[in-house]
Amino acid sequence: QLQLQESGPGLVKPSETLSLTCSVSGGSISSSIYSWAWIRQPPGKGLEWIGTIFYSGTTHYNPSLKTRVTVSVETSKKQFSLNLSSVTAADTAVYYCARHVTGGEFQLLNFDYWGQGTLVTVSS
Amino acid sequence: SYELTQPPSVSVSPGQTARITCSGDALPNQYAYWYQQKPGQAPVLVIYKDNERPSGIPERFSGSNSGTTVTLTISGVQAEDEADYYCQSADTSGTYVVFGGGTKLTVL
Repeated sequence: QLQLQESGPGLVKPSETLSLTCSVSGGSISSSIYSWAWIRQPPGKGLEWIGTIFYSGTTHYNPSLKTRVTVSVETSKKQFSLNLSSVTAADTAVYYCARHVTGGEFQLLNFDYWGQGTLVTVSS
Repeated sequence: SYELTQPPSVSVSPGQTARITCSGDALPNQYAYWYQQKPGQAPVLVIYKDNERPSGIPERFSGSNSGTTVTLTISGVQAEDEADYYCQSADTSGTYVVFGGGTKLTVL
C-alpha cells in the first residue's frame, strides 16, 4: 500500500521560505504514469493545487504561485519537496502531498494517494 | 484563469438522492474527478474519469458528464456521506489543475 508522509516546520516567519518534504513508501517514485504533487487548503477553505513534478524533473505549477514555487524530486531517497518563497499569512494552510495520475507529461489527471497533511502557519 | 463552479451547499434527508454539480468550460474536453473530505481528513477520490468508481467506493456514488456540467450523484444517502465534496479537472492545456470551491453535503 503506497503511503506518503509530509514533514517540515509547522511555523514559518513572513517573508521567509516554506520548505516541506514528502516521503514515499510502499511503491516506486519513478514512473511514467505517475507524478508527485503538492496541494494546500487554508483553514476553512477549499483545495488549491500548487504544483506537480515528474521523476524526469518536468514540472507544472499553478500560475498564481509560479513565481514563488519550486518542486523538486530526489528519486534515490524516494522524496519530493516543496519550496514556497516570500510567504505571507495568506500562505497559512494544511499542505498535502499526493500521487498524481497522468496521461503523460502534458496531461494531468487525478490524485489517488494523499498524505495526511501538515499545517503550516505563517506568523512572526 | 480557469474555474470550476460548485454550489456551496446541498441538503438531503437519509435515503434520498443527492446531486452535486460542477460547471466549467473545459469539461467537454477534460475528465472530471470527485473527492470526499471529512473534517480533519485528507480528501478521498470517489469518482474518476467522469463516471468511474475506485475500488472500495460504494455503488451509491456515481458520476455523469453533460458537456460543461458534471454531476456527482449519491443514491440512498447515508449519514456517513455527510462531508465536503470537491470536483477537480484541468484546463484545455491539460497542465493546469483546478478544484471547484467545494460543496458541503448535509444529511438532515
